[in-house]
Amino acid sequence: GAVVSQHPSWVICKSGTSVKIECRSLDFQATTMFWYRQFPKQSLMLMATSNEGSKATYEQGVEKDKFLINHASLTLSTLTVTSAHPEDSSFYICSATSGQESSYEQYFGPGTRLTVT
Amino acid sequence: QKEVEQNSGPLSVPEGAIASLNCTYSDRGSQSFFWYRQYSGKSPELIMSIYSNGDKEDGRFTAQLNKASQYVSLLIRDSQPSDSATYLCAVNPTGNQFYFGTGTSLTVIP
Repeated sequence: GAVVSQHPSWVICKSGTSVKIECRSLDFQATTMFWYRQFPKQSLMLMATSNEGSKATYEQGVEKDKFLINHASLTLSTLTVTSAHPEDSSFYICSATSGQESSYEQYFGPGTRLTVT
Repeated sequence: QKEVEQNSGPLSVPEGAIASLNCTYSDRGSQSFFWYRQYSGKSPELIMSIYSNGDKEDGRFTAQLNKASQYVSLLIRDSQPSDSATYLCAVNPTGNQFYFGTGTSLTVIP
C-alpha cells in the first residue's frame, strides 16, 4: 500500500514553455500533498504544501505565480512550472500523507526530472 | 538553529558491521519521527517510523527515540553494500508540518 505515482518521470522542454507534472496517490486518499525540489547533491527543498480543495501554501522564496499547484481531488495534485528557464532544471518530487491520526507517514513519488534547454 | 540536524557524513562502514545514524531535533513537542533512504538519483523511501520512546525493530533496522534528549537514531545491522545511500531523518512536530534533515551519506564497503 501507500503508493504515489508521478508523471512524467522525465521531461525536456524549451525555455519559456510550461510543464505540468502530475502526482497521484494510488491506494489511499491524500489529504495533503507536498512538492519538493532537489538539485544534484543537495537536500530536499520543500516548495509548497497543498490540501485538497484549498490553495497551496508556498514556502518563502518560492514564486506561486511560477509554480502553480492544484490539488483538485484526494488523489491528484499537479505542479505546473510556467515560463520555465534553465535554472528551473531540477528533480521535482511529490509526496502525500493520508493525515490519519497517528499516521502522518509521508510517501514519496518517484520524482520528475525536468531539463529546460 | 535548524529544526533537524544530522551529520552529513560520509559515514563508511565495512560490510557486516553496524551502521549508526543520528539525528537531533529542536521542537520538544514533536510526536512523529521517520527515517527515509534515498539512493542517488531516486526519491526518498520510508524505511522506519517511530512515535514512542525506546526502540523499534524491523528486520536489520532499529530506530531509537529519546524524546527527553530530543534524539532519534537508526541502526543498521549486518550492513550490506546495497544499504549505501543517503539517510534522511524527518520530524513531524504537528499536523502537516515536516522537517527533514540534510541527510547522512552512508557507504558500506564490501
